[in-house]
Amino acid sequence: SQKIEQNSEALNIQEGKTATLTCNYTNYSPAYLQWYRQDPGRGPVFLLLIRENEKEKRKERLKVTFDTTLKQSLFHITASQPADSATYLCALNAGNNRKLIWGLGTSLAVNP
Amino acid sequence: NAGVTQTPKFQVLKTGQSMTLQCAQDMNHEYMSWYRQDPGMGLRLIHYSVGAGITDQGEVPNGYNVSRSTTEDFPLRLLSAAPSQTSVYFCASRPAGEGNEQFFGPGTRLTVL
Repeated sequence: SQKIEQNSEALNIQEGKTATLTCNYTNYSPAYLQWYRQDPGRGPVFLLLIRENEKEKRKERLKVTFDTTLKQSLFHITASQPADSATYLCALNAGNNRKLIWGLGTSLAVNP
Repeated sequence: NAGVTQTPKFQVLKTGQSMTLQCAQDMNHEYMSWYRQDPGMGLRLIHYSVGAGITDQGEVPNGYNVSRSTTEDFPLRLLSAAPSQTSVYFCASRPAGEGNEQFFGPGTRLTVL
């Protein structure tokens, strides 16, 4: 079956460390993958897009990698801060540019 | 710009009642979508629209209707509410074109008793 998997367990890290979140998928050949942040009681907010022909993308303290051979994307937050605490969702384009398939998200807690 | 707005923020219905969740965007986006988010299920697409007058079904369309008479508005109608429709509903919009980011509304928390 087709599916997307993200770290199911919450990730707890110390302020200043790098957080690494994983998004694995099977049976898809996505043209791109997106990462979103979701805070409790609010809608997701877009962070980064990475396309299938890109290995890495950066935006300020955020970095995303995309390995189409491993069928995996890694999302890194460097110099993490308590304000980075949230749930992070990955979503990939499943061959139809009108629809995204979503992972369940990983909860990140950055402790001061 | 207000972005994507949704009303109401909270709603309690009894089984069998009908209602409309409102969604509006002021960014002139062609694409609009309705999702529901449930614990352990993630975001699931209910219906979507690629422009005024055009709608299509997503992954979980049963029990819901949509229409898109204007670019700005995309209401979601629950025809006869069931407890299984208890969820948080998000409306989203984005410009046409592959990979463009989606802008989400604040959500509507619906409980069906």
